[in-house]
Amino acid sequence: QVQLVESGGGVVQPGGSLRLSCEASGFAFGSFGMHWVRQAPGKGLEWLAFIQYDGDKKYEAVSVKGRFTISRDNSENTLFLQMSDLRPEDTATYYCAKESGPGIGVAGPFDHWGQGTLVTVTS
Amino acid sequence: DIQLTQSPSFLSASVGDRVTITCRASQDISVYLAWYQQKPQTAPKLLVFAASTLQSGVPSRFSAYGSGTEFTLTINSLQPEDFATYYCQQLKSHSLITFGQGTRLDIK
Repeated sequence: QVQLVESGGGVVQPGGSLRLSCEASGFAFGSFGMHWVRQAPGKGLEWLAFIQYDGDKKYEAVSVKGRFTISRDNSENTLFLQMSDLRPEDTATYYCAKESGPGIGVAGPFDHWGQGTLVTVTS
Repeated sequence: DIQLTQSPSFLSASVGDRVTITCRASQDISVYLAWYQQKPQTAPKLLVFAASTLQSGVPSRFSAYGSGTEFTLTINSLQPEDFATYYCQQLKSHSLITFGQGTRLDIK
């Protein structure tokens, strides 16, 4: 069965960096678009970033552009989110999510999600 | 950005009730809309895609409708496991994916 397992969260000071990982199994990882979504405590869902199946196209939300970078290693079935210049407002649970298709053309729905990893930005 | 506005933000209902949640888009998104259910401390779960197609395994008491700028999610005969928060999501472009603010459905 499809599994997505995030790791790399933790407590970091403002201005610091973190790299989140999402290890995928149970499906052909290299054939699907992938996303990162976050949820601040008690708040709604915020889409952060997308990467096409082959890594050729990437997009980040305006709120994190220039600070967060999405990448993937299809040989290791792993998705990454490199986060830098972290701010208290980046405190959230970060989810990776699998798109239903390769990420070409119109976006597909997110049919599988990881359990999330908590990032806390505090001094 | 394409904004999604859900109404109501909070809904109180009883087991057996029928409820409807509305999601309005700030511009035409055709049928590029999905609905998710999220229970506390768990990841969201896909319920509906392409505005009206139920994801495999989703009970038939859920139904969804809409196109363009107005969309609805209806739950007939509410079950205890349906009390959760529901989000709509627009998927018109990979570079501009957005979620609605959420509708929390509580037991009356």
